Amino acid sequence: EAEVAQSPRYKITEKSQAVAFWCDPISGHATLYWYRQILGQGPELLVQFQDESVVDDSQLPKDRFSAERLKGVDSTLKIQPAELGDSAMYLCASSLFSQRQETQYFGPGTRLLVL
Amino acid sequence: TQLLEQSPQFLSIQEGENLTVYCNSSSVFSSLQWYRQEPGEGPVLLVTVVTGGEVKKLKRLTFQFGDARKDSSLHITAAQPGDTGLYLCAGPDSGTYKYIFGTGTRLKVLA
Repeated sequence: EAEVAQSPRYKITEKSQAVAFWCDPISGHATLYWYRQILGQGPELLVQFQDESVVDDSQLPKDRFSAERLKGVDSTLKIQPAELGDSAMYLCASSLFSQRQETQYFGPGTRLLVL
Repeated sequence: TQLLEQSPQFLSIQEGENLTVYCNSSSVFSSLQWYRQEPGEGPVLLVTVVTGGEVKKLKRLTFQFGDARKDSSLHITAAQPGDTGLYLCAGPDSGTYKYIFGTGTRLKVLA
């Protein structure tokens, strides 16, 4: 069964350092999402891609966060510089299309700890 | 922006008990999904409900979508320790198509 891949699974960094997360969606899925999840809460959307284009990055802290999906397949989320408050689980999800009823499939996530 | 409120926020029960988790909104959703998330893992889709009044069953789990498509419930019969996890409802905002997650219900089933 096809899955969304993410790496690394865990990342520990010091504040002010740069970190990057990678996501490979299910093959053929045009839409890719990056979420941030604080422990015990629901995920919060950071950015949504349709192919290689950003369709929603309204919740992305653009002063320190950036995301790209250059060839419309895999994607990278970067934080520079990392802050203590960035400690969270970063989830990637993909869906076939961006239609209303389209199901999103999630990867295992990257747990980030900023010291 | 539509909000999805879940209740209860936390639930700790004994193995074999029944429970119901609620997901409520003041707005209409075209569909709702339920996920279960285990610690350190991503959410795993359990079910999608689309039609008002729809009931779906997944083994011991029963999902219902409200007639007005503003609320949903998840009922677990004879809970088992393997049901432990964070249960999330989610759905697409009818205006922006942004996918919104509920506040979550953390369930712990004790053996």
